[in-house]
Amino acid sequence: EPEVTQTPSHQVTQMGQEVILRCVPISNHLYFYWYRQILGQKVEFLVSFYNNEISEKSEIFDDQFSVERPDGSNFTLKIRSTKLEDSAMYFCASTGGGNQPQHFGDGTRLSIL
Amino acid sequence: GQQLNQSPQSMFIQEGEDVSMNCTSSSIFNTWLWYKQDPGEGPVLLIALYKAGELTSNGRLTAQFGITRKDSFLNISASIPSDVGIYFCAANLYGNKLVFGAGTILRVKS
Repeated sequence: EPEVTQTPSHQVTQMGQEVILRCVPISNHLYFYWYRQILGQKVEFLVSFYNNEISEKSEIFDDQFSVERPDGSNFTLKIRSTKLEDSAMYFCASTGGGNQPQHFGDGTRLSIL
Repeated sequence: GQQLNQSPQSMFIQEGEDVSMNCTSSSIFNTWLWYKQDPGEGPVLLIALYKAGELTSNGRLTAQFGITRKDSFLNISASIPSDVGIYFCAANLYGNKLVFGAGTILRVKS
């Protein structure tokens, strides 16, 4: 069964450094999402992306965050200057659109030191 | 903002027992979803509901989309040890961003 894949599974970064999290959505999907889950808390929406542009973003997704679909398969989340509070699991999700459910990757655990 | 209130927060059950959890909201949604998350993994879709009043089963799992479009429940029948994990409800409007509940931690006594 097709799945969303994310790399790396764990990223450790010094505070202030840039980090790029990578996702390969399911191949025929058109809508892409990033979510965040701080340890012990609920999953929170960050940003949605369709047709090469952001369609919606949350207040968490400030100027330090950006997303890109650099080619036909990858979808990336960049955090420009990481803060301690960026430590969380980051999940990528994709869907074919309409009411089709979103499918999630296994996440990247981001640890900021 | 939109919020989902999920209960119970956690539960211990005896193997073989039935389990029930639910989510409520003050907002209306047109899709309700139930996911399971195992440690170190992402949420895995269990059941998707698209129509008010809809009752859908997936093996031992049964979920319903509330008639008011503001709630949903998930039942697990005859629980087994591999049912352990965190169950999340999630909902959205017209395929947009998902709003998640806080999760129900299921622990099974074998």
